Amino acid sequence: EAQVTQNPRYLITVTGKKLTVTCSQNMNHEYMSWYRQDPGLGLRQIYYSMNVEVTDKGDVPEGYKVSRKEKRNFPLILESPSPNQTSLYFCASSFMRGSSPLHFGNGTRLTVT
Amino acid sequence: RKEVEQDPGPFNVPEGATVAFNCTYSNSASQSFFWYRQDCRKEPKLLMSVYSSGNEDGRFTAQLNRASQYISLLIRDSKLSDSATYLCVVGGGADGLTFGKGTHLIIQP
Repeated sequence: EAQVTQNPRYLITVTGKKLTVTCSQNMNHEYMSWYRQDPGLGLRQIYYSMNVEVTDKGDVPEGYKVSRKEKRNFPLILESPSPNQTSLYFCASSFMRGSSPLHFGNGTRLTVT
Repeated sequence: RKEVEQDPGPFNVPEGATVAFNCTYSNSASQSFFWYRQDCRKEPKLLMSVYSSGNEDGRFTAQLNRASQYISLLIRDSKLSDSATYLCVVGGGADGLTFGKGTHLIIQP
């Protein structure tokens, strides 16, 4: 089954404790992206990747890191999480940026206390 | 700044009614248009792509008006299960996809 898999689904952590949210897709997509979604603000792009070893900042990259060492994986790293990063996070992938529809993972709900 | 605007609602509609909503976009060079559906706290899922000539998928019809820079979604014979937030998505090639904040639809029995 074609899918984007994120883990974990729920994560509760404390301020400053480094964490990684994994994302993997099995559709051989070139493009991958991370979004956060907050009430009233919609989906905001954090980082994206056009291909292996190519990553770029989105609209809200501060406090986040990503890597794209393999085509299928695109982990999101929070080196020192803060309460304002409490949010619902989605990973997504597509064949091409901007012209192909995105396929989303089922989300990670992060709470930072 | 490229923007996609939607009326957030919520729109309360009786079951069986026809409902339509629009989405306007600011970038006249946009080439790709989609409607997504998102259930509460779930991931957005592609509902349909929007083509220049308009397209239909069962009870759903999407249309594009390039001159006025808006796309529309029409739902006929609405079902309780159509209750969701509908996201308008516009793409401009190298500029990536821009998401609207969504229109919240509630179908009432």
